[in-house]
Amino acid sequence: KAGVTQTPRYLIKTRGQQVTLSCSPISGHRSVSWYQQTPGQGLQFLFEYFSETQRNKGNFPGRFSGRQFSNSRSEMNVSTLELGDSALYLCASSPGTSSTGELFFGEGSRLTVL
Amino acid sequence: KNQVEQSPQSLIILEGKNCTLQCNYTVSPFSNLRWYKQDTGRGPVSLTIMTFSENTKSNRRYTATLDADTKQSSLHITASQLSDSASYICVVLSGNTPLVFGKGTRLSVIA
Repeated sequence: KAGVTQTPRYLIKTRGQQVTLSCSPISGHRSVSWYQQTPGQGLQFLFEYFSETQRNKGNFPGRFSGRQFSNSRSEMNVSTLELGDSALYLCASSPGTSSTGELFFGEGSRLTVL
Repeated sequence: KNQVEQSPQSLIILEGKNCTLQCNYTVSPFSNLRWYKQDTGRGPVSLTIMTFSENTKSNRRYTATLDADTKQSSLHITASQLSDSASYICVVLSGNTPLVFGKGTRLSVIA
């Protein structure tokens, strides 16, 4: 069974640009959650989608948004990029919700903002 | 405020030795506690999930303990191997609110 796939793995953007990251969950998993990981803050929850509905949202500005499609694939978008948005963005899928099921993480998308 | 504190921040041990990582949390109400292993440049991988009623859980050379009264958990690694070098992250779930992550312990196992 294929694992969680995130694309792109690496990307470089400049301040003010926007970026879209993609996550394909494990087949059959309906929950996709997104996390930002930085050396200083560790892992922080961004949002979770379950059956195309946002189930929870972390404490991030509105520049961070996401969506989930009917095939459970998910995208997250960051607009008006800032230097502080440089981070590893991880997505995880779960057969249930992130509260009830085990999380399976992808390898992440490493974003560098110059 | 829901928080998860891990100690030590980093640890260096010799191959073959044992070590114990600590996790203290203030999350309430408590649903479950998870330990993840994250290799450099990779996504975290689940080691164990512990519920309120579980005191000890083992997974190969990893043994996790949970004391829900003192809100403490530990992860004991036996007979460490070079491949154990990674960050170990403690995560606590409270009801249906988002997971609360610790900042991790960076373990380096040297020959």
